[in-house]
Amino acid sequence: NAGVTQTPKFQVLKTGQSMTLQCAQDMNHEYMSWYRQDPGMGLRLIHYSVGAGITDQGEVPNGYNVSRSTTEDFPLRLLSAAPSQTSVYFCASSYSRGTQPQHFGDGTRLSIL
Amino acid sequence: GESVGLHLPTLSVQEGDNSIINCAYSNSASDYFIWYKQESGKGPQFIIDIRSNMDKRQGQRVTVLLNKTVKHLSLQIAATQPGDSAVYFCAGGVGGYQKVTFGTGTKLQVIP
Repeated sequence: NAGVTQTPKFQVLKTGQSMTLQCAQDMNHEYMSWYRQDPGMGLRLIHYSVGAGITDQGEVPNGYNVSRSTTEDFPLRLLSAAPSQTSVYFCASSYSRGTQPQHFGDGTRLSIL
Repeated sequence: GESVGLHLPTLSVQEGDNSIINCAYSNSASDYFIWYKQESGKGPQFIIDIRSNMDKRQGQRVTVLLNKTVKHLSLQIAATQPGDSAVYFCAGGVGGYQKVTFGTGTKLQVIP
């Protein structure tokens, strides 16, 4: 039982490049979400999903896309990377509606040059 | 909107002593609160939560106290150990999963 797995752990991109951050969970959790963590700020919600085929925007969705084709996977796509997207990204999951994020991955540290 | 913050950025505690980490919140409609622990290079780890209809909740070596009158909650760690060294942050939520607001964190340093 691996929990929430994020890949890659580190990535450096050039402005304008695109990439996908992977997130997978093996706990059969309905709820999954993506956050970014920036210095001096709390975690901010980018996108979330309440189940396969259902996604919605969080607090800071601009510049990011998500999809949820399976219960296990919830990839985050940066369409055209910008320096403002330099951050640490965390994926989280939770077993049911109305509960707080319970399981986090160890993050992807992303730098945009 | 909700803002959740910590009183102190860093807290140093002697090993074996009790630690108290404080958090203030602004939204009186928050109906649950969560404490997370984040070790360096790792993702946040859920510690304990408390609903707004409770004043106190205990876990293993941890206790969370909620004072709705002054919009304050605290995390108490008993017999602090070196493994407790981490950043601790609180979060407050209203309604659903997507309505959680996270604080910035207090760094707990345990002195051996």
